[in-house]
Amino acid sequence: EIVLTQSPGTLSLSPGERATLSCRASQSVSISYLAWYQYKPGQAPRLLIYGASSRAPGIPDRFSGSGSGADFTLTISRLEPEDFAVYYCQQYGRSPPLFTFGPGTKVDIK
Amino acid sequence: QVQLQESGPGLVKPSGTLSLTCAVSGGSISSSEWWSWFRQPPGKGLEWIGEISQSGRINYNPSLKSRVTISLDKSKNHFSLELRSVTAADTALYYCAREGTQMTAFDIWGQGTMVTVSS
Repeated sequence: EIVLTQSPGTLSLSPGERATLSCRASQSVSISYLAWYQYKPGQAPRLLIYGASSRAPGIPDRFSGSGSGADFTLTISRLEPEDFAVYYCQQYGRSPPLFTFGPGTKVDIK
Repeated sequence: QVQLQESGPGLVKPSGTLSLTCAVSGGSISSSEWWSWFRQPPGKGLEWIGEISQSGRINYNPSLKSRVTISLDKSKNHFSLELRSVTAADTALYYCAREGTQMTAFDIWGQGTMVTVSS
């Protein structure tokens, strides 16, 4: 089973600043199988990025994903007030079929 | 716009069975191939429980496989989760979700339903 680690655990930033979130896998992950979600308590998770770098429909272009192999990054170019949330990375392993998530990075207001 | 809504008892007794349904509205459940269940225990991260396809293929998280059954009813436009022999460790916010076409990621989620296991 591939284990995902996210860093930092908490990122304290101000609106307008750039956020860089890391997701590291215990072994190589196909870029087709890496996704990022935004989560706010009381709401459904929101898909931001799939295939490591493709934005989901309706997602603003300030969100971007990159990376390959075992290291992936979610970048928020300029934080808006509504972007303060928890962000999870997710991967899919084919054998056996299994989706796993990282522990999350909380982006909070400095 | 497809929407998902989880429903089921909010309280289940230890050793009992947790049963939830995910109703699909705004579209047909046949419009997408794969449908999944997830959970998030209080203060913890997201865990995938399993998935079911239109053709009846089913995959479960190996950690839960012995206790889980997922089914799909096209006539009722919903899919369901059954988790047997529950303990306090199964207390969680349970979500259903749709796997987006050619995404290997989940583009539509329900709002979630809290299930507490307690006597």
